[in-house]
Amino acid sequence: AQRVTQPEKLLSVFKGAPVELKCNYSYSGSPELFWYVQYSRQRLQLLLRHISRESIKGFTADLNKGETSFHLKKPFAQEEDSAMYYCALSVAGGNKLVFGAGTILRVKS
Amino acid sequence: GAVVSQHPSWVICKSGTSVKIECRSLDFQATTMFWYRQFPKQSLMLMATSNEGSKATYEQGVEKDKFLINHASLTLSTLTVTSAHPEDSSFYICSAVDRGARAYGYTFGSGTRLTVV
Repeated sequence: AQRVTQPEKLLSVFKGAPVELKCNYSYSGSPELFWYVQYSRQRLQLLLRHISRESIKGFTADLNKGETSFHLKKPFAQEEDSAMYYCALSVAGGNKLVFGAGTILRVKS
Repeated sequence: GAVVSQHPSWVICKSGTSVKIECRSLDFQATTMFWYRQFPKQSLMLMATSNEGSKATYEQGVEKDKFLINHASLTLSTLTVTSAHPEDSSFYICSAVDRGARAYGYTFGSGTRLTVV
């Protein structure tokens, strides 16, 4: 069965510190992975997807098929990065998204 | 970019009544929309996949007769919570994918907070 695991419910870091939000997945097919972010009182929005290999707001994520991971990283956290982050896996030919439990990132000044 | 509008943003209803939630794709056609439920401080749980012009596909454990989904046009899907009970109180979110611009992934509505009293 498809599964996305985000082991940390809360990650608290100081401003300027590096950030790594962990995500592991379980899927027998070819995975398509996303990171979504939900800022306070706002809707869920796409942060980045693995096939784009892009950097958004300083965040990057590399798909590691050997470790079945898609960790989200940022070298220097900013206070405005504080939000809920969800890792998601697209399955069934792109017709379904399976979400991880989410990780709250708190960046302290 | 693609925009999904969800209405209402919040609703309070009496136990035993029905509530309809609308999800519209504003600037693209969505043959498929998705309905999620989110409990406080928990992840999104997919309830069903709404297919334009055909029956919705429900996830295991989701009652079809309880959560009626209608996707009558390429820009509108509705979720009706029938005979609502307090345990149906939750945050309901819809999403859609713009097949013409799939590079942007799935677009989400702002959600509907349902409180059943």
